[in-house]
Amino acid sequence: GESVGLHLPTLSVQEGDNSIINCAYSNSASDYFIWYKQESGKGPQFIIDIRSNMDKRQGQRVTVLLNKTVKHLSLQIAATQPGDSAVYFCAENEGMADNFNKFYFGSGTKLNVKP
Amino acid sequence: DTEVTQTPKHLVMGMTNKKSLKCEQHMGHRAMYWYKQKAKKPPELMFVYSYEKLSINESVPSRFSPECPNSSLLNLHLHALQPEDSALYLCASSQDLPGNTDTQYFGPGTRLTVL
Repeated sequence: GESVGLHLPTLSVQEGDNSIINCAYSNSASDYFIWYKQESGKGPQFIIDIRSNMDKRQGQRVTVLLNKTVKHLSLQIAATQPGDSAVYFCAENEGMADNFNKFYFGSGTKLNVKP
Repeated sequence: DTEVTQTPKHLVMGMTNKKSLKCEQHMGHRAMYWYKQKAKKPPELMFVYSYEKLSINESVPSRFSPECPNSSLLNLHLHALQPEDSALYLCASSQDLPGNTDTQYFGPGTRLTVL
């Protein structure tokens, strides 16, 4: 299953399938990106990050792809499980300013995993 | 340990009440953040503290007053709130060494209801 982020805020996939969640970011100067998972009633949980000098990074069952040319970020989840059901946010950072980060969050995509 | 704690978990207050939200981290992070999150929306940045000094106030109304007593603690004092201020209030922290963007870790949030 695949979403287009802002244009399709809900993605439904079958358990065991691969999921792709997309995010378009706005600032070509952004140099650091994070994917967060947020379950109902909880705070955002860090999943994986990527810096602008990379185009791909892999974690456990998750892969983040960065295409700076078209300012696009995607999160791939392999063998999606019911526990992956949540809202997924991408966040972009425009770079350091005065020793802190300022992140901008995408609107989020809700992932529903059907058993 | 990447834990950010927040208290209370839930808070119900009247429009004339004064209350405080608390956030704590023991990761040695020097930047701390307050976000507001409405239902089905991404987190919105309110305040940033860097090295215990207020660095960003995103035009937040004065009925919200942040305080950073030390590098591990962040408070948000609330006074004369409106029902539309009801939301999930998230605290986050990051290492933010000079010249290095870094992951923000979020707490579980305080669910605030203003009657």
